[in-house]
Amino acid sequence: DTEVTQTPKHLVMGMTNKKSLKCEQHMGHRAMYWYKQKAKKPPELMFVYSYEKLSINESVPSRFSPECPNSSLLNLHLHALQPEDSALYLCASSQPDRGGYTFGSGTRLTVV
Amino acid sequence: GQQVMQIPQYQHVQEGEDFTTYCNSSTTLSNIQWYKQRPGGHPVFLIQLVKSGEVKKQKRLTFQFGEAKKNSSLHITATQTTDVGTYFCRHDGGATNKLIFGTGTLLAVQP
Repeated sequence: DTEVTQTPKHLVMGMTNKKSLKCEQHMGHRAMYWYKQKAKKPPELMFVYSYEKLSINESVPSRFSPECPNSSLLNLHLHALQPEDSALYLCASSQPDRGGYTFGSGTRLTVV
Repeated sequence: GQQVMQIPQYQHVQEGEDFTTYCNSSTTLSNIQWYKQRPGGHPVFLIQLVKSGEVKKQKRLTFQFGEAKKNSSLHITATQTTDVGTYFCRHDGGATNKLIFGTGTLLAVQP
């Protein structure tokens, strides 16, 4: 299995909702990442987990809460988002500190 | 913080023409990676360069890492419509451990 699977593919949520984005990989990668991408912009790093421990938090607002339950799963819990948080949320995995990233197809999030 | 600039931002070519995008850093890079993102898609890893002056080829794509490890290029020979997309470079940011994507070059290929 050489894929990163993200669910859901599309999500529309209100500003008072709580939702979660899910990411799964079975390549044995021990580093997993959340990126946010706005239209016509490069992906912007949010969080890095290495060996299931949060190693980088790029000053992301607390309304985004990551969780890594095990080496194959990565979640992003969303609460009280703003319309400007609407974007493509990409999950990726790799071996820590080496090799290219394998990206999932992303969750296209719209906050209304 | 470290800046990774790519030029050009956008290029429109006729099918069969060559294309080059450049990635330039203000500081020495430990390595550089290249990704392609099709319209509506997600980034796909193409290659990683590590050594000073390294050159790697993948069919019509040629990747170079500068001697000073501050710049890199991706050259496509005889573009095809399947080459359409945005090409990003990415590096590990050295001591800051920031994982930074370049600004990207959007390639449009006219048949």
